[in-house]
Amino acid sequence: QPVLTQSSSASASLGSSVKLTCTLSSGHSRYIITWHQQQPGKAPRYLMKVEYNGIYNKGSGVPDRFSGSSSGADRYLTISNLQSEDEADYYCETWDSNTWVFGGGTKLTVL
Amino acid sequence: EVQLVETGGGLIQPGGSLRLSCAASGFTVTTNHMSWVRQAPGKGLEWVSVIYSGDSTYYEDSVKGRFTISRDYSKNTLFLQMNSLRSEDTAVYYCARVGHNSGRGWNYYYMDVWGKGTTVAVSS
Repeated sequence: QPVLTQSSSASASLGSSVKLTCTLSSGHSRYIITWHQQQPGKAPRYLMKVEYNGIYNKGSGVPDRFSGSSSGADRYLTISNLQSEDEADYYCETWDSNTWVFGGGTKLTVL
Repeated sequence: EVQLVETGGGLIQPGGSLRLSCAASGFTVTTNHMSWVRQAPGKGLEWVSVIYSGDSTYYEDSVKGRFTISRDYSKNTLFLQMNSLRSEDTAVYYCARVGHNSGRGWNYYYMDVWGKGTTVAVSS
């Protein structure tokens, strides 16, 4: 079973960019992962899938400010031109053998 | 519009039972893969169960034998029957549609639509 590791918190200034990381455990570096956003008090929202080669596919209505990339076992979510509504928890997810695994989540604070 | 609405949560004593429902609109639950994910207070997301379009089902280890996932074509609704509830089952329960991609020799399944959630509190 893969393990997904995320930093517990991140912060960046309004209008700047931030890059969040999700790291796959050893032996799982080619796995696809999915990013979800959870704003305070709300349900999660699907953002995008990111493949090992850096190709990413966003969900409907996800702003262009959100992009994905990859390097080795790391999968990234980059948010440009940060807005106040981007302050949220961000979770990565992956699937393996009929079970799903989530990372612990990164709490993003917009300063 | 694709939408999921969960109901059925509440306060229940340890050992009790609850049945959660998730009404879908904009798509058909019986021809899609569907899942339940929960979130304990102040914690992260935890996958609970899945029912694939072919009707095979899988469960997270801690709920095996206690929870049952099912769906109803006529009501276009997903269910989660929860028995022998424990305090550690306290959480917001989300239903989710599961998307699917495949290629040569690989498959990938992911949550692509989420409901708003329903709260289950197990306490005496």
